[in-house]
Amino acid sequence: QKEVEQNSGPLSVPEGAIASLNCTYSDRVSQSFFWYRQYSGKSPELIMSIYSNGDKEDGRFTAQLNKASQYVSLLIRDSQPSDSATYLCAVNPLRGGGADGLTFGKGTHLIIQP
Amino acid sequence: NAGVTQTPKFQVLKTGQSMTLQCAQDMNHNSMYWYRQDPGMGLRLIYYSASEGTTDKGEVPNGYNVSRLNKREFSLRLESAAPSQTSVYFCAGGTAYTQYFGPGTRLTVL
Repeated sequence: QKEVEQNSGPLSVPEGAIASLNCTYSDRVSQSFFWYRQYSGKSPELIMSIYSNGDKEDGRFTAQLNKASQYVSLLIRDSQPSDSATYLCAVNPLRGGGADGLTFGKGTHLIIQP
Repeated sequence: NAGVTQTPKFQVLKTGQSMTLQCAQDMNHNSMYWYRQDPGMGLRLIYYSASEGTTDKGEVPNGYNVSRLNKREFSLRLESAAPSQTSVYFCAGGTAYTQYFGPGTRLTVL
């Protein structure tokens, strides 16, 4: 059974600080990894994807992947109140060409305190 | 929502009624997906379609059927709705490296 684990939170971070979100996964064959942001009552929005070990930066967001430890994280620098949302970690084992969908964690609720 | 549309946005059904949720994408992606999202359970895959003419079961397919009408459209049908199918349903389109979600359908089964 593929599993993706996240701390449900809430994670409370002061405005301007770095928010660190963590995710572990059980399926060693997982090859692609995603972070989605979901505001209450809205659909998930893709903010980062990462496929190789190491760091990937996009603006204020940095995704980190360590396949040996089966661990992926998301750092949000200079956190803003608008970053307050639930962050979903998702993995794709890329079986059968990878078209068989994503496995999601239950999400971490992030609160940025002004 | 990157070119994925869903109808309806809200629906209330009585137990035993049937309905079809519609999804269309204009991104020209081969793959389309249906997920449900329940409090405390996260997003779970119901069915997916890797390409036009093919469909496969995901994690929670019981009680649902799907049709990949063409490359753009992927519908989800509830033949006999049950209260356990009360959920928010999301359609997505994409590839192994990215998936974009529609706005969702909030379904309540009484």
